[in-house]
Amino acid sequence: GENVEQHPSTLSVQEGDSAVIKCTYSDSASNYFPWYKQELGKGPQLIIDIRSNVGEKKDQRIAVTLNKTAKHFSLHITETQPEDSAVYFCAANGDSSYKLIFGSGTRLLVRP
Amino acid sequence: DAGVIQSPRHEVTEMGQEVTLRCKPISGHNSLFWYRQTMMRGLELLIYFNNNVPIDDSGMPEDRFSAKMPNASFSTLKIQPSEPRDSAVYFCASSSSGSPLHFGNGTRLTVT
Repeated sequence: GENVEQHPSTLSVQEGDSAVIKCTYSDSASNYFPWYKQELGKGPQLIIDIRSNVGEKKDQRIAVTLNKTAKHFSLHITETQPEDSAVYFCAANGDSSYKLIFGSGTRLLVRP
Repeated sequence: DAGVIQSPRHEVTEMGQEVTLRCKPISGHNSLFWYRQTMMRGLELLIYFNNNVPIDDSGMPEDRFSAKMPNASFSTLKIQPSEPRDSAVYFCASSSSGSPLHFGNGTRLTVT
């Protein structure tokens, strides 16, 4: 089955700097890669997703890149703000149309 | 839209007691998921319903766990009898065809 690895587990950046979180996946059948942000006491919320027919997608300060050959995808947050502090999860769907396998999460701290 | 609604938000119970977690998916969504989140195992899919029918329950850990979806607007996850190792945050999520997964804010279960 699909296995998703996520790095780093914790990331501390200065406000205004960029943050990059990386994930690798094992199942070449994966074609959907969402990223979720989880704030304390809340459920994960989708912030951006990408499908395998696209190499990059951007939404304001957030971007995701996908390298299908290397089986890795990354989340890039530019001009970080304190409210970006949260736990971020990547996920991949493997050969399933409905099942998401989540990475272990990255705790991002943006220092004011 | 009110989003996915879960109740209770917190549940504390003694080992051996029955626990019932409740979920109201987003109106119009035909897929419902129950996930469990722990520090050790991260986010795990327990069961997936499509059009109120259980499609994949391979993630249900033991026979002590059961889930039902009697109609399109309500689902329950029951643990009987509960054990301390069941302590976790349980999330309900819903989606419709082609739409991303929307999570509720979870139920934090503590079994003493």
